[in-house]
Amino acid sequence: EPEVTQTPSHQVTQMGQEVILRCVPISNHLYFYWYRQILGQKVEFLVSFYNNEISEKSEIFDDQFSVERPDGSNFTLKIRSTKLEDSAMYFCASSIQGLLTTGELFFGEGSRLTVL
Amino acid sequence: AQTVTQSQPEMSVQEAETVTLSCTYDTSESDYYLFWYKQPPSRQMILVIRQEAYKQQNATENRFSVNFQKAAKSFSLKISDSQLGDAAMYFCAYRSAGRNDMRFGAGTRLTVKP
Repeated sequence: EPEVTQTPSHQVTQMGQEVILRCVPISNHLYFYWYRQILGQKVEFLVSFYNNEISEKSEIFDDQFSVERPDGSNFTLKIRSTKLEDSAMYFCASSIQGLLTTGELFFGEGSRLTVL
Repeated sequence: AQTVTQSQPEMSVQEAETVTLSCTYDTSESDYYLFWYKQPPSRQMILVIRQEAYKQQNATENRFSVNFQKAAKSFSLKISDSQLGDAAMYFCAYRSAGRNDMRFGAGTRLTVKP
């Protein structure tokens, strides 16, 4: 069964360092998303991506964050200069459908980011 | 802004019994979708069941069913004949029609006792 895969499963970094989290969405999916979950808190929407551009983003997704789909298969989330509060589990998701449909999301297992 | 509230941080159920997880949401929109996602200890969230707001009939998927009360903005999940494999964190989620961002509740951790 096709699935969304994420790497790394866990990354530890120093505050101020750049981090790239990688995701391989399901191959025929068209919409891609990043969510995050700070320990003990809600899963929060960060950004959605369609047709090689951001379609929606939350207030969390500031200038420190960027996404790209560099090669038609990977979907990456970059955090330019990590802060302690960026420590969280980051989930990638994809869907074959988006607007005006139920748009079921398929999630990856997550990448845990620890900022020291 | 839409908010999703799950008032039960933890629930437990005896194997083979029935349990109901609560979810309420706040919205001024009329067209939206509601979801229950399950997150087992392996961390990957998987869709359990979904409901379109325009449908009056409650969604059912095998042992999982919902009680969707649109006027009350309530969307509870009933798990019948609970199994050990049902033990997980359950998230209620809301998505506006025409938008791609999904809003999640804080989750309910379900324990199934043998």
